[in-house]
Amino acid sequence: QVQLVQSGAEVKKPGASVKVSCTSSGNIFIRYGFHWVRQAPGQSLEWMGWINPASGDTRYSQKFQGRVAITRDTFASTVFMELSSLTSGDTAVYYCASEMEVPTWPAGHWGQGTLVTVSS
Amino acid sequence: DIQMTQSPSSLSASVGDRVTITCRASQGISNYLAWYQQKPGKVPKLLIYAASSLQSGVPSRFSGSGSGTDFTLTISSLQPEDVATYYCQKCDTAPRTFGQGTKVEIK
Repeated sequence: QVQLVQSGAEVKKPGASVKVSCTSSGNIFIRYGFHWVRQAPGQSLEWMGWINPASGDTRYSQKFQGRVAITRDTFASTVFMELSSLTSGDTAVYYCASEMEVPTWPAGHWGQGTLVTVSS
Repeated sequence: DIQMTQSPSSLSASVGDRVTITCRASQGISNYLAWYQQKPGKVPKLLIYAASSLQSGVPSRFSGSGSGTDFTLTISSLQPEDVATYYCQKCDTAPRTFGQGTKVEIK
């Protein structure tokens, strides 16, 4: 049973950075890509980026390019998403999701979400 | 980047009704499409992958079809527990863009 456990809620001031972790268990960590998706209050899902945990290769949404960094610690089976220069518009629930080994490799396993609140 | 457009943005139907949600990609994506269900306050759940393959454990009243640019999610007989927002997502290359969502309610 694949399980993704994310770090707890964060409250940050505008201009600060936040780093959210996502620890995977129940499968071979380096075999499946990880995605980060966010959802602002009352809004749709928004894809932020992806990491290949075996190589560390990343892809980012152009919207967040230069402000987001996705990394991994293979020994801890953990991926991280760091978002910098926070504004109130970054207040959202942030999800990690891992791919499933089925055709087209969808994000089939999701973490519980981490609420990041940006407020002065 | 390829854009994903869902319609309608919301719908209200009666229990037992057949419900259809469409998702259109601005360029062809073959069958690289997934559908997710998100109930209020919950984590998104994968329903359909590769446009038409039902994820394990998902009720058979859910089905997906389409290829290229036009895709459909169908609920053959709407149940009260299907109240949720449904999202399509392209799964070919980055960015893995989501549609804007379709909110399904019971009439």
